[in-house]
Amino acid sequence: DGGITQSPKYLFRKEGQNVTLSCEQNLNHDAMYWYRQDPGQGLRLIYYSQIVNDFQKGDIAEGYSVSREKKESFPLTVTSAQKNPTAFYLCASRPGYPQETQYFGPGTRLLVL
Amino acid sequence: DAKTTQPPSMDCAEGRAANLPCNHSTISGNEYVYWYRQIHSQGPQYIIHGLKNNETNEMASLIITEDRKSSTLILPHATLRDTAVYYCIVRVGGAGGTSYGKLTFGQGTILTVHP
Repeated sequence: DGGITQSPKYLFRKEGQNVTLSCEQNLNHDAMYWYRQDPGQGLRLIYYSQIVNDFQKGDIAEGYSVSREKKESFPLTVTSAQKNPTAFYLCASRPGYPQETQYFGPGTRLLVL
Repeated sequence: DAKTTQPPSMDCAEGRAANLPCNHSTISGNEYVYWYRQIHSQGPQYIIHGLKNNETNEMASLIITEDRKSSTLILPHATLRDTAVYYCIVRVGGAGGTSYGKLTFGQGTILTVHP
């Protein structure tokens, strides 16, 4: 069953704590993305990766870090430097040029205790 | 990427066609029109996309005007499960340039399908 999986569905973070959100895809897609969605808002790009071992900052990368050691995995770490982390986090992947369609995972909702 | 304008909300009766409009008057020749939808608390779902010809797939039809300044997404027989926020996105084809594949989601149209 192919697709994009994100875990956990809900995540709670304490003050000063780093947390890592998982994103895995078995679609053999080259590019992967992390977006953040706040209530009633559109999606904002945090980080993206077009190939393994390479990633670039998006529009709101401060307080976040990523890695892309494997093609199928693109974990996102929300660090303590991110002062307002409560949001819905979405991971997406894209096959690669010339295919432009992005496919999204189910999302992880991060809440601060 | 060109900016899009969509009505904030629309209603549709179950079983009827839902026609969702999108204005993109500043679209350029190499920009595609994409439609996604997002059901509450889920990830966005790709629906359809097109450049200048009308497109149809198992989910919907996309009608793009001849001047490409507007488009309409048609759900031919709406069901209650089609209630969602629908996003119209315009972006350049190809992953190069400055857009690096980023999708810019606006506010979208909240479609409510009622019995």
